[in-house]
Amino acid sequence: GAVVSQHPSWVICKSGTSVKIECRSLDFQATTMFWYRQFPKQSLMLMATSNEGSKATYEQGVEKDKFLINHASLTLSTLTVTSAHPEDSSFYICSASPGPISSYEQYFGPGTRLTVT
Amino acid sequence: DAKTTQPPSMDCAEGRAANLPCNHSTISGNEYVYWYRQIHSQGPQYIIHGLKNNETNEMASLIITEDRKSSTLILPHATLRDTAVYYCIVRVDPKTSYDKVIFGPGTSLSVIP
Repeated sequence: GAVVSQHPSWVICKSGTSVKIECRSLDFQATTMFWYRQFPKQSLMLMATSNEGSKATYEQGVEKDKFLINHASLTLSTLTVTSAHPEDSSFYICSASPGPISSYEQYFGPGTRLTVT
Repeated sequence: DAKTTQPPSMDCAEGRAANLPCNHSTISGNEYVYWYRQIHSQGPQYIIHGLKNNETNEMASLIITEDRKSSTLILPHATLRDTAVYYCIVRVDPKTSYDKVIFGPGTSLSVIP
């Protein structure tokens, strides 16, 4: 149980375009979802926290207008990288938490590799 | 900021036990020690967690010192597939409380044939 998926697993896009990454909790309802970014040879950095039906809370230094997060249902959150540039190339990982429904444990997705050319 | 410190890298011979240390000297009484690992280009994988007692599961053992200021993750018989970055994290009990999972640099474990 507690499986989280991400789609796509990898994506290549051209500079200036936008790309959407999906995070789904497959066998549980996720009140809260988290988005992380990881650059090569670095650790995961928390970008934002989203609660279902609410606006996301962004960590300091993360541009909310560039990284649009939508958490419209209890099983789906999306991260849209708008006007992507090569410096946005990174590994994006989501995690999902049932929250008050059962526990605040976080379950991680497999990650999405974004390359901006 | 991460509340833990770990050595940046370690080597271990295949088949031998890998002992990965973690220092968490400022841990609070209600905080658990969690271990995750991340194999290259994959999401983090949960390994084990504990509060104050030693824990063991099919993947690893966790030894927590009596003062809870440090712990050691033990992979009893390391294989090449255990090569990964291992993250030690402290957080409050997720069964009852919300807490962000903040990753430090972790320990890059290389299992050598």
